[in-house]
Amino acid sequence: KQEVTQIPAALSVPEGENLVLNCSFTDSAIYNLQWFRQDPGKGLTSLLLIQSSQREQTSGRLNASLDKSSGRSTLYIAASQPGDSATYLCAARSGSARQLTFGSGTQLTVLP
Amino acid sequence: GAGVSQSPSNKVTEKGKDVELRCDPISGHTALYWYRQRLGQGLEFLIYFQGNSAPDKSGLPSDRFSAERTGESVSTLTIQRTQQEDSAVYLCASSLESGRVGSGANVLTFGAGSRLTVL
Repeated sequence: KQEVTQIPAALSVPEGENLVLNCSFTDSAIYNLQWFRQDPGKGLTSLLLIQSSQREQTSGRLNASLDKSSGRSTLYIAASQPGDSATYLCAARSGSARQLTFGSGTQLTVLP
Repeated sequence: GAGVSQSPSNKVTEKGKDVELRCDPISGHTALYWYRQRLGQGLEFLIYFQGNSAPDKSGLPSDRFSAERTGESVSTLTIQRTQQEDSAVYLCASSLESGRVGSGANVLTFGAGSRLTVL
């Protein structure tokens, strides 16, 4: 059974800093891994999806990497802004399953 | 529609009552998922629908929970004899197609959720 862990649970940084959020998964036979952000009282917004054959994906100031052999993914946020404050969730889809298994998230606060 | 729509956005009910939650996926999305998120916790998978295939019900916590989907359109999640521990936000998501590699095909789009409070 796939298990997904995110560290740290919460992170507070000053505006402008570059930061890295970590995600680890137990079953390396993943199909893809997806990063989401969740704002209070709202649903999830997809940020990046990395297929199992890919090493990284980039969108604007966001870069997500995937290392299946070590069971890890990272989300890099460059030049953080207060608007980046949200909970970031990673989710892995195992090759044998259809559903995504979510981590518990990292709550990010970017201080102005 | 432009996004995934869920209704009601908020539901307060008394213990023991039945509730029905509705999800309208993005038109053309063949895969539909239900997740539950309790306060301060991560997302728990409940059920998955893919086209006309038999749904994956492996995440449903008890037989009080059931879900239906008509073709590739609306889905309803029904909770019978609600309990206080059922209080949570119920999130629905859809994707264009699951199980195949393709540009954006596997990206899940979530609705805003239905917040259920059982008194």
